[in-house]
Amino acid sequence: RKEVEQDPGPFNVPEGATVAFNCTYSNSASQSFFWYRQDCRKEPKLLMSVYSSGNEDGRFTAQLNRASQYISLLIRDSKLSDSATYLCVVNLRNTGKLIFGQGTTLQVKP
Amino acid sequence: GAVVSQHPSWVICKSGTSVKIECRSLDFQATTMFWYRQFPKQSLMLMATSNEGSKATYEQGVEKDKFLINHASLTLSTLTVTSAHPEDSSFYICSAILESPVSGRRSETQYFGPGTRLLVL
Repeated sequence: RKEVEQDPGPFNVPEGATVAFNCTYSNSASQSFFWYRQDCRKEPKLLMSVYSSGNEDGRFTAQLNRASQYISLLIRDSKLSDSATYLCVVNLRNTGKLIFGQGTTLQVKP
Repeated sequence: GAVVSQHPSWVICKSGTSVKIECRSLDFQATTMFWYRQFPKQSLMLMATSNEGSKATYEQGVEKDKFLINHASLTLSTLTVTSAHPEDSSFYICSAILESPVSGRRSETQYFGPGTRLLVL
């Protein structure tokens, strides 16, 4: 079983749509949680950290459920520029190591 | 935000050649850097943790004699792929953790370099 699992997609949505990505992690020692965005042939860039209380950054909302070991990302009012691969990432306690999910590909179409 | 550079951005070499990739933290010190590898349509896989002034810590399945890591200064880590073969062709990315030079406190955020694309013929 992969440590961080994501549906690879692709998710094809029209502009303006709301889309949700899910992620599960298996290691209960996971301490911190993130969503990264990776464009084709580029390095990943931090999109947002994820907290149990839920957090929002503009059109993006992230949620963490520690009991279920489940992380989500909601994108509202999708833009063409949101097309990318979204990586679910966990940081193991006391190691600083980041464990990446396979990524979910989003294609926003006009 | 913090910036990490990598050099070269891409390299094409013949099988059997050794290739050195540099990772630099710009304007901040990083006692810990990480090296990742990403094959097409796959996720980033951590190869090793590079520690300034000490030996790197390798992940299971990563050959330390094949992937030599040197972290000789607070701002530079190098990864050398020795005797590269076509199966080593991949996207190599480093990251660095921002550390306060005053308190030594480390950020949770890893800052990624732009990556190095290696093609071994």
